[in-house]
Amino acid sequence: GAGVSQTPSNKVTEKGKYVELRCDPISGHTALYWYRQSLGQGPEFLIYFQGTGAADDSGLPNDRFFAVRPEGSVSTLKIQRTERGDSAVYLCASSLGAGLYNEQFFGPGTRLTVL
Amino acid sequence: DQQVKQNSPSLSVQEGRISILNCDYTNSMFDYFLWYKKYPAEGPTFLISISSIKDKNEDGRFTVFLNKSAKHLSLHIVPSQPGDSAVYFCAASANTGNQFYFGTGTSLTVIP
Repeated sequence: GAGVSQTPSNKVTEKGKYVELRCDPISGHTALYWYRQSLGQGPEFLIYFQGTGAADDSGLPNDRFFAVRPEGSVSTLKIQRTERGDSAVYLCASSLGAGLYNEQFFGPGTRLTVL
Repeated sequence: DQQVKQNSPSLSVQEGRISILNCDYTNSMFDYFLWYKKYPAEGPTFLISISSIKDKNEDGRFTVFLNKSAKHLSLHIVPSQPGDSAVYFCAASANTGNQFYFGTGTSLTVIP
């Protein structure tokens, strides 16, 4: 389909391991957002890309979290030295342009479980 | 600190009746508000929005009301249908920022 896709859909890892979560936005969408949704909570902003650059990474909780979007399309969220508290659904969204008035289209998310 | 709050975790409504979902916010700088609908194992999908220059926005069966002085918004669904059963999130943003702040969601069940 033409929607936002995220892989893997589920990821189980052990505490201390490194994980990468991938997001394929809708073709032509220049803005890309990552959110984290913990159990019983709403999505929480992590980082926003406009093109290849991270325009706002103020939501990243600490330096174990990093995200890239090298060609302005696919993005990878990287988490080092995972902790049990990182367990959550990680959502990616894309929009046609910059600015919050552009509708964000969400992917189905990656459920990360850290044992 | 939760800047957007949905105090009702769940709501059950009979088919055909009105569903009213509520949302409160604390940040007076918020000027744009949205409602998202989420089915299990899917990402949220945009439902309806309202900017602070308006107090009401309507789209078919869905109407969002904004009371800026009370820092409160609500989503009305009428008539409610079984397919409306989902989790509903409200979200808010300030025009100076790049992010939405989401509430914790209300799970709506429409009983046939």
